[in-house]
Amino acid sequence: GEDVEQSLFLSVREGDSSVINCTYTDSSSTYLYWYKQEPGAGLQLLTYIFSNMDMKQDQRLTVLLNKKDKHLSLRIADTQTGDSAIYFCAEILNTDKLIFGTGTRLQVFP
Amino acid sequence: EAGVVQSPRYKIIEKKQPVAFWCNPISGHNTLYWYLQNLGQGPELLIRYENEEAVDDSQLPKDRFSAERLKGVDSTLKIQPAELGDSAVYLCASSGNRGDTQYFGPGTRLTVL
Repeated sequence: GEDVEQSLFLSVREGDSSVINCTYTDSSSTYLYWYKQEPGAGLQLLTYIFSNMDMKQDQRLTVLLNKKDKHLSLRIADTQTGDSAIYFCAEILNTDKLIFGTGTRLQVFP
Repeated sequence: EAGVVQSPRYKIIEKKQPVAFWCNPISGHNTLYWYLQNLGQGPELLIRYENEEAVDDSQLPKDRFSAERLKGVDSTLKIQPAELGDSAVYLCASSGNRGDTQYFGPGTRLTVL
């Protein structure tokens, strides 16, 4: 079945690391994505990882993929107030259909 | 390079009225998507176009929703008549080709009164 799950909220102090978790169900997913959505805006692509990779790092972002457990995480180092947003993970199926999670609202406080 | 353009950004209508949304994808992108995003949820695919052909419209409520991409570039999504439950954000995305990374526009927030 097609199902992507995320926790709804995460609150962190400015300067700390944030870790947003995601689980998915379709083992045939080729790519997994992280998108960011700020209030009133569309989805901004943050990063993605190919399914045969375990880790990808891009500046303050680190993506970890555990394909055995179908678990994806996004770590944001040195979290800033500008990182406050909703973060969506998504898997792409063989049908080229993107399946999104419900989103995790990240709140960064000073 | 310009991103995906959508208009209008906001639309308020009364129920039973028609409404249309417009999307212009990133130049050169062959694949265009329309998504529906309800409050507090992730986007869900309504329809996908490869050039001017609708190749996946299984989630589009065809009794009231229609879409077109006549020349394989910009696209219009229409609802007629609108219902209260149609209040949501309608997102357009495009990708170079099938399976490529999708880039999203800012969306149209529809409120049906």
